[in-house]
Amino acid sequence: DVQLVESGGGLVQPGGSLRLSCTASGFRINDYDIHWVRQATGKGLEWVSAILTGGATHYAESVKGRFTISRETDKNSVFFQMNTLGAGDTAIYYCLRASSWYYFDYWGQGALVTVSS
Amino acid sequence: DIQLTQSPSTLSASVGDRVTITCRATQSVHTYLAWFQQKPGKAPNLLVFKASNLKSGVPSRFSGSGSGTDFALTISDLQPDDFATYYCQHYHTYPYTFGQGTKLEIK
Repeated sequence: DVQLVESGGGLVQPGGSLRLSCTASGFRINDYDIHWVRQATGKGLEWVSAILTGGATHYAESVKGRFTISRETDKNSVFFQMNTLGAGDTAIYYCLRASSWYYFDYWGQGALVTVSS
Repeated sequence: DIQLTQSPSTLSASVGDRVTITCRATQSVHTYLAWFQQKPGKAPNLLVFKASNLKSGVPSRFSGSGSGTDFALTISDLQPDDFATYYCQHYHTYPYTFGQGTKLEIK
């Protein structure tokens, strides 16, 4: 069965950093594009970043230059390094798999990131 | 960036009703559009991909239509389990974007 499990969320002070992990099972991360989508409490969904099968990366303007997506194939995991965090980054962060036809077919359960002093 | 606007933002309906949620894009996304259902405290679930293709296991009372800039999600014969928030999302070009969501409430 395909599963995505996020970890690494928590409380961080403004200006701080956090690294999220997304560990996949049931498929190889190298074979699919992996995305991050976030959702602030009571708000809508915001696409944030992607790492494609070929290694290319994409970011939303709101996080470009602060967040970095990467992967480690031996751990079958994708990582999301988030720096210079602000209150606007407080959200649940979901790790997603895009199918071979690019639509999001599997979501993780989400990791809560809270930026507060 | 391509923006998606959903209408309405909130929809009140009764069990057994037929409802339609629309999603309009600021430029053509061809048929690279998906619809998701989200319930409180849960991750979204895929309902429709490529504008009109129902994901396996999704009830046939759900249907998607449209292409280019105008899309719709129709739910016929509403069931109690259908009251949730619905999002459209394009995957035509980066950055991908979501509509702002439509909350379907019980009348």
